[in-house]
Amino acid sequence: EAQVTQNPRYLITVTGKKLTVTCSQNMNHEYMSWYRQDPGLGLRQIYYSMNVEVTDKGDVPEGYKVSRKEKRNFPLILESPSPNQTSLYFCASSLTSYYEQYFGPGTRLTVT
Amino acid sequence: SQKIEQNSEALNIQEGKTATLTCNYTNYSPAYLQWYRQDPGRGPVFLLLIRENEKEKRKERLKVTFDTTLKQSLFHITASQPADSATYLCALGSNDYKLSFGAGTTVTVRA
Repeated sequence: EAQVTQNPRYLITVTGKKLTVTCSQNMNHEYMSWYRQDPGLGLRQIYYSMNVEVTDKGDVPEGYKVSRKEKRNFPLILESPSPNQTSLYFCASSLTSYYEQYFGPGTRLTVT
Repeated sequence: SQKIEQNSEALNIQEGKTATLTCNYTNYSPAYLQWYRQDPGRGPVFLLLIRENEKEKRKERLKVTFDTTLKQSLFHITASQPADSATYLCALGSNDYKLSFGAGTTVTVRA
């Protein structure tokens, strides 16, 4: 089954404790992206990757890191999480940015 | 700065009627526009894509129009059903590989 998987689905952590949210796709897509979704603000792009080893900042990259060492994986790293990073996070992939995005199920992160 | 506005946060309509959602943008020159459906607690699901040189796209009961002069897209759900109740998101993409989303409009279809 073609899908995007994210882990964990739910995470509660404390300020400053480094964490990684994994994202994996099995569709051989070139383009992958991370978004955060907050009430009233909609989906905001954090980082995107056009292909392996090529990443770039979206609209809200501060406090986040990504890496794209393999085509299928695109982890999101929070080196020192803060409460304002409490949000619902989505990973997505597509053939290229012009095509439909396939979204993962989401990761709900709470930073206390 | 770039801004994407979807007409209202919520739209309530009677089953069988047509729902019309608006996506307006400013300070933006999109190469294409996409519409997604999102159900509570789930990731968005792609519905339709329309490119800057296209005026209209249809898929079953869905229709999208794109007016680059007005800087607006309209999304229509005809013969609406309770199962169409969801939040609908518009997303604009350009040649810089970024994709920007509106905040969404929540549609409730009453039986």
